[in-house]
Amino acid sequence: EAQVTQNPRYLITVTGKKLTVTCSQNMNHEYMSWYRQDPGLGLRQIYYSMNVEVTDKGDVPEGYKVSRKEKRNFPLILESPSPNQTSLYFCASSLSQGLSRETQYFGPGTRLLVL
Amino acid sequence: AQKVTQAQTEISVVEKEDVTLDCVYETRDTTYYLFWYKQPPSGELVFLIRRNSFDEQNEISGRYSWNFQKSTSSFNFTITASQVVDSAVYFCALTRGGNTPLVFGKGTRLSVIA
Repeated sequence: EAQVTQNPRYLITVTGKKLTVTCSQNMNHEYMSWYRQDPGLGLRQIYYSMNVEVTDKGDVPEGYKVSRKEKRNFPLILESPSPNQTSLYFCASSLSQGLSRETQYFGPGTRLLVL
Repeated sequence: AQKVTQAQTEISVVEKEDVTLDCVYETRDTTYYLFWYKQPPSGELVFLIRRNSFDEQNEISGRYSWNFQKSTSSFNFTITASQVVDSAVYFCALTRGGNTPLVFGKGTRLSVIA
């Protein structure tokens, strides 16, 4: 089944404790991205990657890191989480060619609480 | 800059009523893509439709229909004969394509009451 998976789905952590949220897709998509969803603000892009070893900042990159060592994986790293990073996080991917490149398919979301 | 406005924050309807969710967008690009996503209570984002700026044909998929009007920069979504399972938050989104991000509206929460 074609899908985007994220782990963990739920995470409670404390300020300053490094964490990684994994994202994996099995559709051979080249483009991957991370969004955060906050009440009243909708979804905002954190980082994106056009291909392996190619990453760039989105609208709200502060406090986050990403890596793209393999095509299928795009982990989101919070080196020193803070309470303002409490949010619902979505990973997304899309094809890189043709009209379909514009359609991003989303993972199930990761709900993060930073105490 | 691109912007998507979903003026309706919450809508409540009784089952079997028709409901229209409004989406107004702003962009200076001549080529762009519009989307609707559904977020049910379980939280995932489900892709519903993509429209590119050169295709103004309305689309119907079962009880769902979309009305794209460039003249008013709108891309409205209508659910006919709503059902309880339609209860969700619906997002309209816009991108110019390529490596640019999706710009989302703030969503409309639809509650369908039995």
